[in-house]
Amino acid sequence: DIEMTQSPLSLPVTPGEPVSISCRSSQSLLNTNGYNYVDWYLQKPGQSPQLLIYLGSTRASGVPDRFSGSGSGTDFTLKIRRVEAEDVGVYYCMQGLQTPRTFGQGTKVEIK
Amino acid sequence: QVQLVESGGGLVKPGESLRLSCAASGFTFSGYYMSWIRQAPGKGLEWVSYISNSGSTVAYADSVRGRFTISRDNAGNSLYLQMTSLRADDTAVYFCARDRQPSRYGGNDYWGQGTLVTVSS
Repeated sequence: DIEMTQSPLSLPVTPGEPVSISCRSSQSLLNTNGYNYVDWYLQKPGQSPQLLIYLGSTRASGVPDRFSGSGSGTDFTLKIRRVEAEDVGVYYCMQGLQTPRTFGQGTKVEIK
Repeated sequence: QVQLVESGGGLVKPGESLRLSCAASGFTFSGYYMSWIRQAPGKGLEWVSYISNSGSTVAYADSVRGRFTISRDNAGNSLYLQMTSLRADDTAVYFCARDRQPSRYGGNDYWGQGTLVTVSS
């Protein structure tokens, strides 16, 4: 199984500041079609998870452009250009390259 | 608009069975793979299973293989998860989520509100 490792696991943030979350996979997530099969999800308190980014860097419909995904192979990053109070919650990366699909442990983002 | 509504959760004893359902609406159900993903209390997300749009391909997490069966009814726009030999560590909120299309990967772009399964004696 592909292991997904996120860091940090906890991230106190100041509104307006940039945020970066790392996700590393135990195997390359680069498919032969040139796409990296990694997604990013945000689970706000008391809500179901929502898709932010798929295929490494494509924003899902309706996701603000302050969110961006980057990386290739085994190293991926989710960035929030200027974090807002509504962005608090737990962020997860997930690999969609092979089954079983696997999630990272989650990164809890909270306001300082 | 896309809606996914899970049902069927509840309190069961270890070793018992339960069948979860997910009613889908607002999109062409037969055109999408569908997934079950669960979250134990206070824990992270765990992928459980998926099924292809036609139902011909299924996959399971090691933790549930042989005990859980995923299925779908495209005519009725419904997804199911038959769970048998339930264990305490199956206790979780179970989410259904829309998955990829056969020729396009787009992540799990819609999720239901989840249904709670509690396994306890």
